[in-house]
Amino acid sequence: GAGVSQSPSNKVTEKGKDVELRCDPISGHTALYWYRQSLGQGLEFLIYFQGNSAPDKSGLPSDRFSAERTGGSVSTLTIQRTQQEDSAVYLCASSLDYGLGRDGELFFGEGSRLTVL
Amino acid sequence: AQSVTQLDSQVPVFEEAPVELRCNYSSSVSVYLFWYVQYPNQGLQLLLKYLSGSTLVESINGFEAEFNKSQTSFHLRKPSVHISDTAEYFCAVSREGGSQGNLIFGKGTKLSVKP
Repeated sequence: GAGVSQSPSNKVTEKGKDVELRCDPISGHTALYWYRQSLGQGLEFLIYFQGNSAPDKSGLPSDRFSAERTGGSVSTLTIQRTQQEDSAVYLCASSLDYGLGRDGELFFGEGSRLTVL
Repeated sequence: AQSVTQLDSQVPVFEEAPVELRCNYSSSVSVYLFWYVQYPNQGLQLLLKYLSGSTLVESINGFEAEFNKSQTSFHLRKPSVHISDTAEYFCAVSREGGSQGNLIFGKGTKLSVKP
């Protein structure tokens, strides 16, 4: 597609349930990122996939969070046993894997708004 | 490690007035600096960036930012704002030579332009 596509755009779930959020990056982009945007907290880095390298998971807040990227394209962020503090907008971005000095631009999707009741 | 501080969470301004959105960073190494903008109900978009060379960088819609190494700042300015500039603006920093995975974002500044 023309841009980064995320689904669902909105998800309301009950505490304790598992949720899956999907990201379809721009075709040809080898790098993919997940961020979490909470009210007044800016963007919190979660995880970064770069080509076939092992993902950088350093931003995942707990072991309830996991992500995978299949075939170097679509990515799924899974949150197990959701808690109310998981409520946020989850943003996915993709980029060409050239490093910031050459390109420097992340292309963001519109986000998936998660509400945990 | 790098960090970014955006001192103003909200900035209300009247149309055609000048505006400055402040961004300060902390880093022990040389950095790249970015401003991203998020219009209502849209994803973030790159507004402008400083990688090297001229310390004054400009966007296509009239915004500019100046890299000030001594003050560790990268403030965003526009001499005359429009209603359509209403959005949330995020400053971001990465170490020079770093990859996109190293981008650190500030908490954002909501610019509200009133008629």
